[in-house]
Amino acid sequence: NAGVTQTPKFRVLKTGQSMTLLCAQDMNHEYMYWYRQDPGMGLRLIHYSVGEGTTAKGEVPDGYNVSRLKKQNFLLGLESAAPSQTSVYFCASSYRLADSETQYFGPGTRLLVL
Amino acid sequence: SQKIEQNSEALNIQEGKTATLTCNYTNYSPAYLQWYRQDPGRGPVFLLLIRENEKEKRKERLKVTFDTTLKQSLFHITASQPADSATYLCALDTGGFKTIFGAGTRLFVKA
Repeated sequence: NAGVTQTPKFRVLKTGQSMTLLCAQDMNHEYMYWYRQDPGMGLRLIHYSVGEGTTAKGEVPDGYNVSRLKKQNFLLGLESAAPSQTSVYFCASSYRLADSETQYFGPGTRLLVL
Repeated sequence: SQKIEQNSEALNIQEGKTATLTCNYTNYSPAYLQWYRQDPGRGPVFLLLIRENEKEKRKERLKVTFDTTLKQSLFHITASQPADSATYLCALDTGGFKTIFGAGTRLFVKA
């Protein structure tokens, strides 16, 4: 199993450009998440999905959109990139037990917006 | 708002010693708490989960405690090795599908 994979690994954008980050998981997990990680700050939840065709906003959703058309894929879009979106983006997936869940993370995508 | 704090200063210890990392939180009563390890340039990897009704959980050289009165978790690595050098993240369940993560504490183990 590949686990959680993310593409691309690194990208440089100019302000105002758009791009899509792809996350794929082969563990048949229902739940998927997009986080951003900035120096000195914890992982912050951007959007999440509890199943195919469903998405919801997290802590910092502004400037991002997501789609979950297939269970194994979760896409994160930036319509008009801003320098404040320079960050490392992590995708995660999980399954939920009766009372807990553990998240499995991808390797991350480093995004630089100039 | 929920707040989760980990020591932002790096922890430097000698090989063979026990490393102890602290996670403090406020304004919430999590049903469980998790610890993850993150190596440079990689995503976090799950290590241990401890529930609110558990005082202590062990896995090989790792031990986690959870004090819901103090709102604190301690993460111990015994007989530490240079390979244990990494950033360790504390994560709280906040209900629903949202977990909040601390910024992490970087551990350096010197040979």
